[in-house]
Amino acid sequence: DAGITQSPRHKVTETGTPVTLRCHQTENHRYMYWYRQDPGHGLRLIHYSYGVKDTDKGEVSDGYSVSRSKTEDFLLTLESATSSQTSVYFCAISESLSANYGYTFGSGTRLTVV
Amino acid sequence: KNEVEQSPQNLTAQEGEFITINCSYSVGISALHWLQQHPGGGIVSLFMLSSGKKKHGRLIATINIQEKHSSLHITASHPRDSAVYICAVSYSGGGADGLTFGKGTHLIIQP
Repeated sequence: DAGITQSPRHKVTETGTPVTLRCHQTENHRYMYWYRQDPGHGLRLIHYSYGVKDTDKGEVSDGYSVSRSKTEDFLLTLESATSSQTSVYFCAISESLSANYGYTFGSGTRLTVV
Repeated sequence: KNEVEQSPQNLTAQEGEFITINCSYSVGISALHWLQQHPGGGIVSLFMLSSGKKKHGRLIATINIQEKHSSLHITASHPRDSAVYICAVSYSGGGADGLTFGKGTHLIIQP
């Protein structure tokens, strides 16, 4: 379903360049998350948002910034890409913090920094 | 910080076998999630549990809150079940910082 989409799906970029990944949702969910997935580490939280212009850092936030100017869009920016940021990035959304609400994940963005 | 441990890390089985994947966590949670990820694919939510047991088709998920342990079972396994299965938990403190994930179990079902 198209409730959450990530763009681009794949990107190759050079070290030192800025990169922005986009997460777009059509569900009007309050909470949005950016995770990175690396072999041997599982998924780790980069940044999250609990409302428009309300964001906070996660476990691995160094080198990343985010913005949420509209409910539907959550942007992740790598200010100056490094090879250690080569990863698969997943966006997720959730309607509520209640235990009765689950999470929906995007299809992922595979980023390669060369 | 909640630690989430999954076992086994890798599992290869024959078609038709009964599969069990385990997940344990260290502190109180509000819910536990089982997720599925096919190679090169996105992440799909299978179950969300806060107590007891849930069943969907050939998949069964159970949780024991006292023992801080959950299991995912697959009955009559099929090659299309081959995927990474990920356990994740949300804290009982109610913070907005999402899920804590296990490292996943790589399951291969051979025909």
